[in-house]
Amino acid sequence: GEDVEQSLFLSVREGDSSVINCTYTDSSSTYLYWYKQEPGAGLQLLTYIFSNMDMKQDQRLTVLLNKKDKHLSLRIADTQTGDSAIYFCAPFSSGSARQLTFGSGTQLTVLP
Amino acid sequence: GAVVSQHPSRVICKSGTSVKIECRSLDFQATTMFWYRQFPKQSLMLMATSNEGSKATYEQGVEKDKFLINHASLTLSTLTVTSAHPEDSSFYICSARDPASGRGYEQYFGPGTRLTVT
Repeated sequence: GEDVEQSLFLSVREGDSSVINCTYTDSSSTYLYWYKQEPGAGLQLLTYIFSNMDMKQDQRLTVLLNKKDKHLSLRIADTQTGDSAIYFCAPFSSGSARQLTFGSGTQLTVLP
Repeated sequence: GAVVSQHPSRVICKSGTSVKIECRSLDFQATTMFWYRQFPKQSLMLMATSNEGSKATYEQGVEKDKFLINHASLTLSTLTVTSAHPEDSSFYICSARDPASGRGYEQYFGPGTRLTVT
């Protein structure tokens, strides 16, 4: 099955950029999603990228995909305290599993 | 955007009782819904995939007789935790796919249900 790895913690200062990294193993992953989870809440879909794209930008969010290395990153520009949350990388495998696989999540803490 | 609700948001029950959690797609019809379990500071663990009008598909290690899933309509799936025990205490999250969105792989998540078994 798919393995998805993320670093557990990231701290940045307000106004700086945050970069959250993710590696995955299934080369048949066609859609790669980023979700945000605030304390005690469900998951909010932030953005996604198709596997035939290298980059996607959506306002403050930039997703970079290195398909060869199976590496995905989420950059948040001008990080705000409201961005403090857990961020999950979730590739969708179009192979036999046909489901999302979630990474461990990265706890982003934004310091004033 | 697609909205998924869950009810209740929090529930406390006594050991040995059963509790039902509802997951509803509010503005779309969901042929497929998913049930996840999340332990504190951990990732989501897929428990089962629920397809409208058919039996749920359970992931390995998930007891189908303990976690009963019913997807009786295109907007409602229910998870019943039977004979709950303290180790069933967890955060349960459902999600749904909107096949009409044109991006049928996306999953929209409910706000979660915090179950505490005393």
